[in-house]
Amino acid sequence: DAMVIQNPRYQVTQFGKPVTLSCSQTLNHNVMYWYQQKSSQAPKLLFHYYDKDFNNEADTPDNFQSRRPNTSFCFLDIRSPGLGDAAMYLCATSPERGARKTQYFGPGTRLLVL
Amino acid sequence: AQSVSQHNHHVILSEAASLELGCNYSYGGTVNLFWYVQYPGQHLQLLLKYFSGDPLVKGIKGFEAEFIKSKFSFNLRKPSVQWSDTAEYFCAVSTDSWGKLQFGAGTQVVVTP
Repeated sequence: DAMVIQNPRYQVTQFGKPVTLSCSQTLNHNVMYWYQQKSSQAPKLLFHYYDKDFNNEADTPDNFQSRRPNTSFCFLDIRSPGLGDAAMYLCATSPERGARKTQYFGPGTRLLVL
Repeated sequence: AQSVSQHNHHVILSEAASLELGCNYSYGGTVNLFWYVQYPGQHLQLLLKYFSGDPLVKGIKGFEAEFIKSKFSFNLRKPSVQWSDTAEYFCAVSTDSWGKLQFGAGTQVVVTP
């Protein structure tokens, strides 16, 4: 089945140690999104890509970066994780740009920072 | 800045009871509205969406939602819930050409047998 896959499902890192979360999709969608969801809060958009055209939200910390080497893969890099970065990170895709497009989500990666 | 608020963080009800989850948004222009659901251990998935036309929209699994423009609301309803409806429900709004979603904080619904 076509899907959005996130690896790993759980990631433990140390304070200040760089970490990379990955997302892959078999849907061949042009748009990919990264959301951060902290406990009991709304998912918050960090970045999105239309093909390789990258856009980050104005309030996304500089500590967070993203790469999309090809259509299928997208990475979230956290250069120096702090305790406040512990959260669920959700990857989503959409076939095209547009306010009416459905987004397809992966299962998320739960990040724990020690 | 636009925002989405969901009135209840937790709802507990018995099977066969009716469910209504509130969602209000703050945005004066054209909005596209979504309800997403996350079942235990699963990923977020679309329940239903509204763009225009009939303000009462039907989604999967017997859910429906009503858009009331004057109240900036998009409430989700189900007449008779089942145990399998236990999940977290998220209201979301999209207003720009990128399709970026602004989510509410979610409502955790627990249906007891």
